[in-house]
Amino acid sequence: DAGITQSPRHKVTETGTPVTLRCHQTENHRYMYWYRQDPGHGLRLIHYSYGVKDTDKGEVSDGYSVSRSKTEDFLLTLESATSSQTSVYFCAISEPGRQNIQYFGAGTRLSVL
Amino acid sequence: QKEVEQNSGPLSVPEGAIASLNCTYSDRVSQSFFWYRQYSGKSPELIMSIYSNGDKEDGRFTAQLNKASQYVSLLIRDSQPSDSATYLCAVKGSNDYKLSFGAGTTVTVRA
Repeated sequence: DAGITQSPRHKVTETGTPVTLRCHQTENHRYMYWYRQDPGHGLRLIHYSYGVKDTDKGEVSDGYSVSRSKTEDFLLTLESATSSQTSVYFCAISEPGRQNIQYFGAGTRLSVL
Repeated sequence: QKEVEQNSGPLSVPEGAIASLNCTYSDRVSQSFFWYRQYSGKSPELIMSIYSNGDKEDGRFTAQLNKASQYVSLLIRDSQPSDSATYLCAVKGSNDYKLSFGAGTTVTVRA
């Protein structure tokens, strides 16, 4: 998975609890992304980062926040998890340039009960 | 209208046949186009990228791009059971580095 580690790989939590997912890369890529994947929707961008402390919202950012204090780490936080946030979450990385090929981590399966 | 649309599938083809996957996009100035393959329960992996009009071949895979028609396709020749997966079309616009993904087409190759 291109030097990308997501943790945890699986998590079950209760509605209203905070949850943090971690993405760690060893590739020194500048850009990092968080997606969620749900049946029938493909991959939808939650938040992305274009450098340390530089982040921006994607198309489905409500209820999520992110932080990037180091090049290698990008954290996704659900401040108060809801059942609608049950999903598979993928982290991706890329380098700037025409190709912008994104490489994906193995994913985190989150269930909010 | 969704930014990236794929034929909904599922697509079932016999082993050895050609699987044809289609993708249309709405942003006329899109510049980069990608096909990812995703096995059930796994993460997407890049199998093809294409940037210029025409065909690009890599082994049994051929990507075709027609920017005037805002259309990109993927052909899988001599389909194998190991090709059974969901194929995601992704498009990069001209002004940033984000990708827009289609919902995916699931392909099943029958032995």
